[in-house]
Amino acid sequence: EAEVAQSPRYKITEKSQAVAFWCDPISGHATLYWYRQILGQGPELLVQFQDESVVDDSQLPKDRFSAERLKGVDSTLKIQPAELGDSAMYLCASSPRWYQETQYFGPGTRLLVL
Amino acid sequence: DAKTTQPPSMDCAEGRAANLPCNHSTISGNEYVYWYRQIHSQGPQYIIHGLKNNETNEMASLIITEDRKSSTLILPHATLRDTAVYYCIALNSGGYQKVTFGTGTKLQVIP
Repeated sequence: EAEVAQSPRYKITEKSQAVAFWCDPISGHATLYWYRQILGQGPELLVQFQDESVVDDSQLPKDRFSAERLKGVDSTLKIQPAELGDSAMYLCASSPRWYQETQYFGPGTRLLVL
Repeated sequence: DAKTTQPPSMDCAEGRAANLPCNHSTISGNEYVYWYRQIHSQGPQYIIHGLKNNETNEMASLIITEDRKSSTLILPHATLRDTAVYYCIALNSGGYQKVTFGTGTKLQVIP
């Protein structure tokens, strides 16, 4: 069964450092999502791509976060500089098309900023 | 987009049916009800979705009231592996809509 891949699974960094997360969606899925999940809360959408284009990045803190999906396949989410409040689980999901369909989630990257 | 309301936590005895309620009193005619669950430290997992009719798959059953203002997810024979946070979401069938997960219901299956 096809799965969404994410790496790394865990990341510890010091504040002010740069971090990057990678996501490889299910093959053929046009839509890719990045979520942030703070402990005890539900996932919060950061950015949504349709192929290589950004559909929604209204909740992405653009002063420090960036996301790209250059060839419309895999994607990278970057934080520069990291802050203590960025400690969270970062989840990637994909779905076949741009309108609402079932989303398939990866295992997530757990970030700890010291 | 409809807001959903779920109880923060529930317990269920192992082997019994787990019935998880969700209120979505402002749901519109073209909004589906989706259920996901998240086992500790894993990504959310799709369970089931429906519009008007009751739905069943290998994981669960979804019962939607006739007025569509509420629904119930049923896990017919809960196991310890069903311990998770369950999210109920209302989503349009077409057009862009940001997915909002909320805080869900923490289901604890007790041996």
